Amino acid sequence: GESVGLHLPTLSVQEGDNSIINCAYSNSASDYFIWYKQESGKGPQFIIDIRSNMDKRQGQRVTVLLNKTVKHLSLQIAATQPGDSAVYFCAETLGGNTPLVFGKGTRLSVIA
Amino acid sequence: DAGVTQSPTHLIKTRGQQVTLRCSPKSGHDTVSWYQQALGQGPQFIFQYYEEEERQRGNFPDRFSGHQFPNYSSELNVNALLLGDSALYLCASSWDTGTQYFGPGTRLTVL
Repeated sequence: GESVGLHLPTLSVQEGDNSIINCAYSNSASDYFIWYKQESGKGPQFIIDIRSNMDKRQGQRVTVLLNKTVKHLSLQIAATQPGDSAVYFCAETLGGNTPLVFGKGTRLSVIA
Repeated sequence: DAGVTQSPTHLIKTRGQQVTLRCSPKSGHDTVSWYQQALGQGPQFIFQYYEEEERQRGNFPDRFSGHQFPNYSSELNVNALLLGDSALYLCASSWDTGTQYFGPGTRLTVL
């Protein structure tokens, strides 16, 4: 499939290591944040979300951290696997069904 | 349970033509949002449909229009195509909680 992100920041990680992907969001009024994974030629896939009244949320192998003071979001992936290779986007919304506003994206490359 | 589906997968058009893209939401979802993703960029919000009405719209010209049907499926129409309309068009569906789930997209190429 075509490349999703030709000139995106790239994070290269050894298989089995932990990955941390960072995102600066733009609107201090944003209430809901989501991380999406996008593989080449596919649509964004929901990974994990967090509301503004929380600062940490854990899923299976993934953790999202939210720092509202500096408008920063991070995604931590434990024991990174080759299948984790993709472009990762953070998205923010004002909540409800308001539009998603996406960050620039980071390409994660897992070295076997 | 089928996720969000979109058709066609790929489409090639020439400048000035019109195109219609289709989306079927995830089962149980009543809201459909459309996004445009240029190569190397994050998706940009076009508009959102709920109860067969356009509820919100992003910064896109009137050449972009849409429709939602009683079964919640939706169409995106683009008139007078420009080269710059070449992109991946994504449909996302959601229900009351707002978590949006995306389809695989339609890759539109305008020559």
